[in-house]
Order: sequence, then structure tokens, then C-alpha cells
Amino acid sequence: QLVLTQSPSASASLGASVKLTCTLSSGHSSYAIAWHQQQPEKGPRYLMKLNSDGSHSKGDGIPDRFSGSSSGAERYLTISSLQSEDEADYYCQTWGTGIQGVFGGGTKLTVL
Amino acid sequence: EVQLVESGGGLIQPGGSLRLSCAASGFTVSSNYMSWVRQAPGKGLEWVSIIYSGGSTYYADSVKGRFTISRDNSKNTLYLQMNSLRAEDTAVYYCARDLVFDYWGQGALVTVSS
Repeated sequence: QLVLTQSPSASASLGASVKLTCTLSSGHSSYAIAWHQQQPEKGPRYLMKLNSDGSHSKGDGIPDRFSGSSSGAERYLTISSLQSEDEADYYCQTWGTGIQGVFGGGTKLTVL
Repeated sequence: EVQLVESGGGLIQPGGSLRLSCAASGFTVSSNYMSWVRQAPGKGLEWVSIIYSGGSTYYADSVKGRFTISRDNSKNTLYLQMNSLRAEDTAVYYCARDLVFDYWGQGALVTVSS
């Protein structure tokens, strides 16, 4: 069964960097994922598609501060130069043959 | 510019029906994968249904047999017909484009309560 695992929470200081992790379940380490941001009281916003080789393609208007990387079954979202508006929930999501839509549980990022 | 605008949400009694619409602009709905995703109050995102460009449809187990996804190519609009609604269907419903959900609507709130 394809499952995405995310830590429930993370925190980092204003101006610092943070790396969020999304882990694919066993046997699914080759899957691409997408990262989405959901600011408080807003709808989700697509950040990027992240492939297993670490290559990624960002959505329209996504700042260079957001980047992605991969290692094995782990998919990472790194946010540098943290700003207050980066405080949000971050979800990873994937798809595949016979698998239409799977979301991780989300990570709530607090900017200190 | 790509835009998705949902409508049709509201308060409905358990067992009732509701149809959500998602009007698209800036691209052709019938040429893309289109999904519905929902978010219950205080919870995470849950995929609900998808329609492929070829017309194939798929549903989450939680809604299978009760919800139907469709599209009107002439109106460039996606729909979600929701029947036999339950309290646990209460959520904000979003439409989203493609398998990566690269564009999202603003959401439509559906509240199922007596």
C-alpha cells in the first residue's frame, strides 16, 4: 500500500532554513511527488513536482527560496530565508498506476 | 491565466444530494486529468475523485457508489454529484487540475447536518 509519511510539525526561526521530509512507503521509492502549501484559512497552493532523482519543476510564481531534493524513499522540501508568510501546512502528494491520489498527513510549519 | 472557481456548496440534511460545479478558464477541462479533493474541518487533504481526459473515472472508497464526477465540455466545467450525504462528508471541496494538482480552486464548503 502506498503511504506518504510526514512529521506533524516543524519550526524554524525567521530568516533561517528548514527542510521538511516526506517518506514513501516500502517498494515505492521511485515515485515522484508534489508539494503543496496551505496558509491559514486559505486553499492549497501547488509548489512543485519532485522526481526521484531530485529534479523538480516549480509552479507559477514560486520563489527561488523553495527547492526540492530526493534521497531513496525520502522527498524533501527546503525553504530558505524563512519569512512569516511561510508559516503554513505543507502536504506531499503522489499518484501512480491504479493509484489516483494519495496525500501525506501534512506538516505544520511554525516560523519563530 | 488558469482559474478554477467552485460553486454549489451549502447546508444539506443527511441523506440529501448536492451538486458542486468547478468552472475552468485558461485551459480545456476535457484535455486534462481533473480531481476533487476535500478537507474536513481541522483535518488534512483527502482525494475524492478523478476524471481522465479519456473519460475514465475513479473514486475514493469512502464515496464510491454515492458520488459521481462528470464534466460538460461545452461549458468547460467539472461537476461532483453527491448523493446520500453523511455528516462525515462535511468538508471544503476543492477541484484541482492534473495528477500533480498544479492549480486549485478556492473551495466550496459543504455542511451535512440536521
